[in-house]
Amino acid sequence: GQQVMQIPQYQHVQEGEDFTTYCNSSTTLSNIQWYKQRPGGHPVFLIQLVKSGEVKKQKRLTFQFGEAKKNSSLHITATQTTDVGTYFCASTFLSYSGAGSYQLTFGKGTKLSVIP
Amino acid sequence: DAGITQSPRHKVTETGTPVTLRCHQTENHRYMYWYRQDPGHGLRLIHYSYGVKDTDKGEVSDGYSVSRSKTEDFLLTLESATSSQTSVYFCAISEARPSSLGQETQYFGPGTRLLVL
Repeated sequence: GQQVMQIPQYQHVQEGEDFTTYCNSSTTLSNIQWYKQRPGGHPVFLIQLVKSGEVKKQKRLTFQFGEAKKNSSLHITATQTTDVGTYFCASTFLSYSGAGSYQLTFGKGTKLSVIP
Repeated sequence: DAGITQSPRHKVTETGTPVTLRCHQTENHRYMYWYRQDPGHGLRLIHYSYGVKDTDKGEVSDGYSVSRSKTEDFLLTLESATSSQTSVYFCAISEARPSSLGQETQYFGPGTRLLVL
């Protein structure tokens, strides 16, 4: 089906350690978005990647889109307690209703815990 | 944060009763979405709207209906709530529609926690 798979489901790291979450698809993706959801909060858009091999950075966060556009990663350098939350990848796929429109489909997320 | 409110924020109801959740936006965005979030499932699209009176089904639409009579309001109705509909419901809005080129930012509301007993 139309889906993106995320691994790992959970990750516990010591503060200061690095963290990486991966998003994989069996089909070529036209784009990938990343969202962050703090505990008890709502998802917040972080970034969108559309080009093969694209790499974007936001301070300690590095986002990468694979050369074959079938995978993506989010890497956080030197995690801080403010990084705690669930990170979701998402991509657009043709609508389930067959109407020819596109819908945003989310992975199941990686929940990051940071031990102070 | 984008101007999105959801009401109620918390609701407890009984199986078989109708429930309506409201999403209200002040951003004048054309596109609106309803998602549900459950442990182990991430966010799943229920219904979406591309304009007033223009709605379509998402991945998990069974048991839900929606209406959009004004740009700013998008209502989600559970005609006869079931325990499987216990979830956190998020409304989202966007300026542009999702396409093969991607999706411009979707802004999410604060969510509604629904418990069906």
